[in-house]
Amino acid sequence: QKEVEQNSGPLSVPEGAIASLNCTYSDRGSQSFFWYRQYSGKSPELIMFIYSNGDKEDGRFTAQLNKASQYVSLLIRDSQPSDSATYLCAVRPLNAGKSTFGDGTTLTVKP
Amino acid sequence: EAQVTQNPRYLITVTGKKLTVTCSQNMNHEYMSWYRQDPGLGLRQIYYSMNVEVTDKGDVPEGYKVSRKEKRNFPLILESPSPNQTSLYFCASSWTASNQPQHFGDGTRLSIL
Repeated sequence: QKEVEQNSGPLSVPEGAIASLNCTYSDRGSQSFFWYRQYSGKSPELIMFIYSNGDKEDGRFTAQLNKASQYVSLLIRDSQPSDSATYLCAVRPLNAGKSTFGDGTTLTVKP
Repeated sequence: EAQVTQNPRYLITVTGKKLTVTCSQNMNHEYMSWYRQDPGLGLRQIYYSMNVEVTDKGDVPEGYKVSRKEKRNFPLILESPSPNQTSLYFCASSWTASNQPQHFGDGTRLSIL
């Protein structure tokens, strides 16, 4: 079992729809959870981070964390073609150097 | 401008010829890390550094060396490159090793023939 697993893609949604990206992790010691967006040929850029159970909203993006279920998700509301990218889930333990990424989910938003 | 700078951006070389990829950050971050990215495999951590003179192995350290003599620099060394090290490499940094997002460099595409 991979340490961080993301829902297999590619994911395609129409413009204006909600895109839902999911991530599960195996290490219960994980404390910090991050979503990065990566356009083709570019470096990852931070979209959201979350540390506590519940929801965290930032504009059109909502991150959801459930530590009991070892599950973190990213919702993108009113999806735009510019949201088309690969989304990487990353997990970090507390005060440790290891950082584990999922394989990514490629999202396509169709106009 | 806050940034992580990698050099070179692109390199084609041959098996066995030692090479170094440099990484420098201007944000006074304690934590730095190297990743490789291969198609369909996300980012895999090679080495990381919690602070000056403190380095440790990630998930795929074989064939790589690092050093952290100064806070801002974290070079990745391939002493005897092989074709299976052909990949896209990213350097990243963050304030600490804990709950901080990482800032990534623009990447280095290495081709080992």
